[in-house]
Amino acid sequence: DAGITQSPRHKVTETGTPVTLRCHQTENHRYMYWYRQDPGHGLRLIHYSYGVKDTDKGEVSDGYSVSRSKTEDFLLTLESATSSQTSVYFCAISEHTGETEAFFGQGTRLTVV
Amino acid sequence: QKEVEQDPGPLSVPEGAIVSLNCTYSNSAFQYFMWYRQYSRKGPELLMYTYSSGNKEDGRFTAQVDKSSKYISLFIRDSQPSDSATYLCAMTLAGSNYKLTFGKGTLLTVNP
Repeated sequence: DAGITQSPRHKVTETGTPVTLRCHQTENHRYMYWYRQDPGHGLRLIHYSYGVKDTDKGEVSDGYSVSRSKTEDFLLTLESATSSQTSVYFCAISEHTGETEAFFGQGTRLTVV
Repeated sequence: QKEVEQDPGPLSVPEGAIVSLNCTYSNSAFQYFMWYRQYSRKGPELLMYTYSSGNKEDGRFTAQVDKSSKYISLFIRDSQPSDSATYLCAMTLAGSNYKLTFGKGTLLTVNP
């Protein structure tokens, strides 16, 4: 298995509080992505990074920010959590040398009450 | 219209059946096509990867891409109960930092 660790694995938080999810990789891959997965919507890209300090928005970026200060860590912050951000969040990494293979973490189940 | 359409199922088949899973897409610029398998409460794992049109076979799995019809398929031969999972198609553009666009996934159950 690719070395990707997401933390926490489960979290319950209150509406209006900030929340930070962490993705840590040991593969030294250049690209990192945050997706959310919701019933009826599948996986949707929130933000991604193509290098240290290089990030860009995805399809559903409103209400989220990211930071990548070193290759191995990619943080996703919900600035003020809302119930619509209750979801399962997946981090993925990729290197894109040869085949385009993205490895996914185990997911973080976030509930906003 | 969503960029990638995938029938969510659920699909239930007997063990040993041939399973066909499909996705259609609207963006003709997609060049890389993937199938992921996701077990319940786990992260997706890559099953098959295909560049442009054509077929690719790996054991019991065959992926097909028909760019002229904007249609991709995954075939599973001699399906096993361990194949029970959600199957997600995904695709990406060259030069897009390889951001993946996913279908919604098809839930497959293989009954012993």
